Parts: sequence; C-alpha cells; structure tokens
Amino acid sequence: QSVLTQPPSVSAAPGQKVTISCSGSSSNIGNNYVSWYQQLPGTAPKLLIYDNDKRPSGIPDRFSGSKSGTSATLGIIGLQTGDEADYYCGTWDSSLSGRWVFGGGTKLTVL
Amino acid sequence: EVQLVQSGAEVKKPGESLKISCKASGYSFTSYWIAWVRQMPGKGLEWMGIIYPGDSETRYSPSFQGQVTISADKSTSTAYLQWSGLKASDTAIYYCARHYYDSRGPCDFWGQGTLVTVSS
Repeated sequence: QSVLTQPPSVSAAPGQKVTISCSGSSSNIGNNYVSWYQQLPGTAPKLLIYDNDKRPSGIPDRFSGSKSGTSATLGIIGLQTGDEADYYCGTWDSSLSGRWVFGGGTKLTVL
Repeated sequence: EVQLVQSGAEVKKPGESLKISCKASGYSFTSYWIAWVRQMPGKGLEWMGIIYPGDSETRYSPSFQGQVTISADKSTSTAYLQWSGLKASDTAIYYCARHYYDSRGPCDFWGQGTLVTVSS
C-alpha cells in the first residue's frame, strides 16, 4: 500500500488529453514539492516534472504538473502512442524520520 | 553529461552476499545525494535510502533499515548497495538515482538498473 495514491490505469485516444492524480497528506504532498516520472517499458524511470510544475530541459510542454493542497496532477495533452508508459508521482514524506515516497504508479494506455 | 552507470545483472542463491555498484560521472559526486530504488517484478518504485558521498551520511527508509547497506567511495565516484544474506524476496531491479539540490529533491538522473535474481 503506497503512501501516495494514484489510479492504477488511465486511457485515452491519440491526440487527446489525460490527467493522472496523486493524493497524499500534509506530511508529504501538503508540505513538499512533487515530482513526476515516466517509465517506458523495460527502461529506467525518467524525470518529467519537478517542484510541482517545472519541466527539465528536453521535456516537451505537452506535459504539465500542478498541486493543490494534498493532491497533485500530471497532465498530458496531444497524446502520442510513445507516451504509453507507467507514471509515478513522488515527494518527501516527513513522517517516520523522513523518507522519499512514490505513488503506486499509473499505467497510461493510448488507444 | 551526467551519467550513472550500474553494474551488471546478478544471479545469486538465498543466503549469499552481494554488492552492486553505481558509478557517477559528469558532475561533482560529493555534492549530491544518491538514492537506491527497488522495483520488484511487475510492481512500483520503492525508495530504499540515500547517501551523501561528501561525508557518507546515510539515511534508510524504515522498510529497508537493517536489510541493506548503502555506501560510497569518493575516490572512484561510486555508490554501492549491499546485502549480507539475500532472500528470494530480494529479486528485483535496483536503480540508483541522483537527488537534485538536496535529499528532499527530485531524482533527476537515473542509472539503467541492475537486475538481481535470487533463486535456489
């Protein structure tokens, strides 16, 4: 059972838009920055969004992030088949003397 | 260019010891925290712990405290993850990742992963 809650799966057609939610608490999302990771099949995770809404160099602006209270959201517009992957949210959790925590992951299917 | 290059896949028997590595290049190794992350077959990411190579300060997730040891060698810019008695449940892919700006920061660069298989 992950500390951060994500939907197990989402799907949408090519060209459409999708959002992935990440729900936490005041000990994690509520008081810390959120980041998002994309894991394509058989590869290592890659940083997509950091500090709630910032994109690293090279990440297209089709990807966006937001945070409100104890929840965060990843948005992807103009879906492409190459976006089919697992997506994870992550943040610092201040409970239990502090640790980084990830959501359980969301499988995105581009129909 | 920042790179984290991990050691190759391992096949071990239960009870055996193992040490896997993560060699960093392209940045100041002693200035950033390095994390280890487990991904069991078909499952999500689990943060195991971190080390600050500058002074070897180490912190573990409660779930992994006492189960593994994280270390680093400044002279070779290499971080390590080791077990003293492997179990079948340790079968997983292990990733190292750099924490950006501090221990609470995002993991901005990742190694390619090391598959560890523990089977009798």
